[in-house]
Amino acid sequence: SQQGEEDPQALSIQEGENATMNCSYKTSINNLQWYRQNSGRGLVHLILIRSNEREKHSGRLRVTLDTSKKSSSLLITASRAADTASYFCATGAPGGSEKLVFGKGTKLTVNP
Amino acid sequence: DAGVTQSPTHLIKTRGQQVTLRCSPKSGHDTVSWYQQALGQGPQFIFQYYEEEERQRGNFPDRFSGHQFPNYSSELNVNALLLGDSALYLCASSYARTNEKLFFGSGTQLSVL
Repeated sequence: SQQGEEDPQALSIQEGENATMNCSYKTSINNLQWYRQNSGRGLVHLILIRSNEREKHSGRLRVTLDTSKKSSSLLITASRAADTASYFCATGAPGGSEKLVFGKGTKLTVNP
Repeated sequence: DAGVTQSPTHLIKTRGQQVTLRCSPKSGHDTVSWYQQALGQGPQFIFQYYEEEERQRGNFPDRFSGHQFPNYSSELNVNALLLGDSALYLCASSYARTNEKLFFGSGTQLSVL
């Protein structure tokens, strides 16, 4: 079963605009990660935020985490056509992340 | 530095057959996880191998089995294939001491006819 639920399911924006994707989850977590997948192939790790962190930045990416609301958001600033992909949030359980539980993903399209 | 490699990239089987998928982890990694991704869905955890043993298992039937070799490479075996087993099978590797961030291979697309 899926732990996370991304919102929206699909997002279409113009190059240069910002893209915001949200993720909600159900149980306690050790960390939350965001991954990108191009054309249904392998996933690429983007950023990890721990349960005791509230915000993290990496280049054009900004991730926030609200454990009281069990939600996270991923912001991509100044989007590019190359950012077109599906984005997944994944949660690692407390006590060790032997497995990650992924959401269904947000399909982002950045139009040139 | 080679990343995670999976073989084959595509596979077509018929119902009832058996299949073996292979994975070589990223250099320096000792842990291999397998995920199944159905079309339009997120990856679902099948199991994880560390030190040649299955460390944790997801909600998959016993038809799904695996193995890890001394060189850390891994195989996923699926017996008695069903149509519903058609999916992208992803292998991910990590280093046990910092077992958080996963590195994924490009996957094996399995079609069961």
